[in-house]
Amino acid sequence: EAQVTQNPRYLITVTGKKLTVTCSQNMNHEYMSWYRQDPGLGLRQIYYSMNVEVTDKGDVPEGYKVSRKEKRNFPLILESPSPNQTSLYFCASSLWQTYNEQFFGPGTRLTVL
Amino acid sequence: TQLLEQSPQFLSIQEGENLTVYCNSSSVFSSLQWYRQEPGEGPVLLVTVVTGGEVKKLKRLTFQFGDARKDSSLHITAAQPGDTGLYLCAGARSGNTGKLIFGQGTTLQVKP
Repeated sequence: EAQVTQNPRYLITVTGKKLTVTCSQNMNHEYMSWYRQDPGLGLRQIYYSMNVEVTDKGDVPEGYKVSRKEKRNFPLILESPSPNQTSLYFCASSLWQTYNEQFFGPGTRLTVL
Repeated sequence: TQLLEQSPQFLSIQEGENLTVYCNSSSVFSSLQWYRQEPGEGPVLLVTVVTGGEVKKLKRLTFQFGDARKDSSLHITAAQPGDTGLYLCAGARSGNTGKLIFGQGTTLQVKP
């Protein structure tokens, strides 16, 4: 089954404790992206990657890191999480040449205390 | 600053009514997508429009891309409770299709 998987689905952590949210896709998509969703703000793009070893900033990259060492994986790293990073996070992938139509994962709900 | 403004933000209607959701911008987009999101799940693509003036139909849903490619609308005919959800528009700017901009979303509730 074609899908984007994220882990963990739920995470409660404390300020400053480094964490990684994993994202994997099995559709051989070149493009992958991370978004955060907050009430009233819709989805905001954090980082995206158009291929292995190629990453670029979205609209809200501060406080986040990403890496793309393999085509299927695109982890999101929070080196020192803060409460304002409490949010619902989505990973997505696409064949970007075809209008970048996004396939989304199920989401990760992160709470930073 | 929200580059894509959706209106209305909330809509609660009775089953059988018609509705229109708008997605507006002062910027030109090379393509525009509509997604629907249900609670606890990720957004799912409904349609992509790419040509100014384009109209696409998906059963009771009609999508239109403005002539100048700055705005789009989603019209639902005879809404059903199964249409309930969050509707999101997303645009790709010309020359930078890697960067997607989403509207803030329209929450639709269709009551039986």
